[in-house]
Order: sequence, then C-alpha cells, then structure tokens
Amino acid sequence: KQEVTQIPAALSVPEGENLVLNCSFTDSAIYNLQWFRQDPGKGLTSLLLIQSSQREQTSGRLNASLDKSSGRSTLYIAASQPGDSATYLCAVGDTGKLIFGQGTTLQVKP
Amino acid sequence: KAGVTQTPRYLIKTRGQQVTLSCSPISGHRSVSWYQQTPGQGLQFLFEYFSETQRNKGNFPGRFSGRQFSNSRSEMNVSTLELGDSALYLCASSQFGGQVGNTEAFFGQGTRLTVV
Repeated sequence: KQEVTQIPAALSVPEGENLVLNCSFTDSAIYNLQWFRQDPGKGLTSLLLIQSSQREQTSGRLNASLDKSSGRSTLYIAASQPGDSATYLCAVGDTGKLIFGQGTTLQVKP
Repeated sequence: KAGVTQTPRYLIKTRGQQVTLSCSPISGHRSVSWYQQTPGQGLQFLFEYFSETQRNKGNFPGRFSGRQFSNSRSEMNVSTLELGDSALYLCASSQFGGQVGNTEAFFGQGTRLTVV
C-alpha cells in the first residue's frame, strides 16, 4: 500500500531564504508526482507535475525533483516571500487516484 | 478557460439528512475525482468517474456515492449524514485520469460540509 510522508510538518523562515520541502513515498511504481499549494479554507492549486520518467520540473522560483528509486521528491523554493505562506502538499499518481502526504505548512516572515 | 467549479461552497446539515454536492470540470476533461479532507485524516480519495463510469473507489462506506453525466459534470451524494462526515469535499478534474501519463489534476475550491 502506497504511503506518502512529508517532512517537516511545519516550517517558519525569514523572507528571502531558500528552502526545501521533502516528500517520500513507499512504492516506486507511480505514474507521476504533483505538488500543490493550499491556502486556508481553499482548494488546491497545482504547482508542478513531474512524470515518472522525468527527474525535475521548474516553474518560476519553484523547482521540483523526483527520484523514483529512492522514493523521494523535493520542492525547492527560491527567495521565499510572505505570499508563499501556505500548506504544500505532494501527491503521487496511483491507479486512478492521487495519494497525498499530510502536507508542510510554511510560514514566511517579513 | 474556466476552472473547476464546485457548488455549493458551504453547507450545514443535520445528522441523518442526505446531501448532494456538484462539480463541473474543466471543459474537455473527462475524469472527475472526489476527495475528503479532514484535519485528522488529511486528503482521502473517495471515487473517480471517467466517461460516466466509476473507475476507482476509495475505502468509504456505501453512504457515499456519486455519478457523472454525459457533459462530465459530477455529483456526489452522502446519505444518513454523521457528525464525522463534516469535512471539506474537493473535486479534481483531469483530462484522462491517473492511468495515463501527463494528466495534471486541477482542483475546485471545495464544498465545506458541516453536520450538526
């Protein structure tokens, strides 16, 4: 059974810092991995999608990597801003569904 | 291009009642999935519909059901509501679903259901 873990559960950093969020999964047989952002009480916003055959994807200040053999993905946020404060969720694409981690709640202090 | 639309945004129901939630996917998307989000359990998969057929189902009791119409719009129904059903219900839309590569999932804003 696929399990997805995100560490740390919460993170507080000063504005401008570069940071890394971690996601690990137990079964390497995944279709893809997707990173989402969730603001309080809102839905999920897709940030990056990495196909199982890819190693990384970039969008603006965000870079996500995928290492299937070790069951790990990282989301790198460069030059963090207060507007980046949110909960970040990773999800692995399994047969017909996404399996989510519990998320990392990020606070970026001005 | 319009995003995923969920209605209503908020609902308050009494124990024992039933409720129906609606989801309109992105135009051209044929797969609609439903998820339940609670503080304790996080995001859990309910079911997925593709071309009006339920393809996958999560580990939820039979009180939770759904359907998809020919225009890909989907509804989710919960009967005999329990206090524990209070949650944010999220709908996700994708072109083909999770069994085909390059299928990014897009989520709606969710329906916040409170059972009292």
